[in-house]
Amino acid sequence: SAVISQKPSRDICQRGTSLTIQCQVDSQVTMMFWYRQQPGQSLTLIATANQGSEATYESGFVIDKFPISRPNLTFSTLTVSNMSPEDSSIYLCSVAGGTYEQYFGPGTRLTVT
Amino acid sequence: GENVEQHPSTLSVQEGDSAVIKCTYSDSASNYFPWYKQELGKRPQLIIDIRSNVGEKKDQRIAVTLNKTAKHFSLHITETQPEDSAVYFCAAGDNFNKFYFGSGTKLNVKP
Repeated sequence: SAVISQKPSRDICQRGTSLTIQCQVDSQVTMMFWYRQQPGQSLTLIATANQGSEATYESGFVIDKFPISRPNLTFSTLTVSNMSPEDSSIYLCSVAGGTYEQYFGPGTRLTVT
Repeated sequence: GENVEQHPSTLSVQEGDSAVIKCTYSDSASNYFPWYKQELGKRPQLIIDIRSNVGEKKDQRIAVTLNKTAKHFSLHITETQPEDSAVYFCAAGDNFNKFYFGSGTKLNVKP
């Protein structure tokens, strides 16, 4: 399966600021996704990152808060904007490995103070 | 949208016993059902999956069953070992590769 990396691995940020998380894959993939995992909780899909077009957001997530870029088939970024303590979570990217399977990056642990 | 429910939330078994985790889904359009294992501080790892045209799939000590009519699927782990201790998540996926996850089951295997 593809090797997926994320940067940063963790960060502590002040409320009101923004953080951009990078996801890099070692091979071209069609589908990339961003998930949020709040402390002790399950994974929630934020959006599908589409190459060459705007991301597709799930209910409850908006582009102004979570802008996403997908400049090519191996890279995507997620920005968490105007952060509040409620944004403290692990943010994970995933890639579709074949027809159905998805594989996750190592995650970015974000703490907002 | 899809709603996936997972039970139990915690499960404690003795080493060597079997463990069963159950999930139900609401959207009949869901056609792919993966299971992930997440150890503390690590990323979710795909351990087994099943597509909607299959009723059962087995991989060594792990098996998954699917009942499309009832919209439920289950993970079975036999001969549990302490290294099986982790949080397990089920998910339901659609034709757009979007996954909706269950709430997770914390499995504790006691030596």
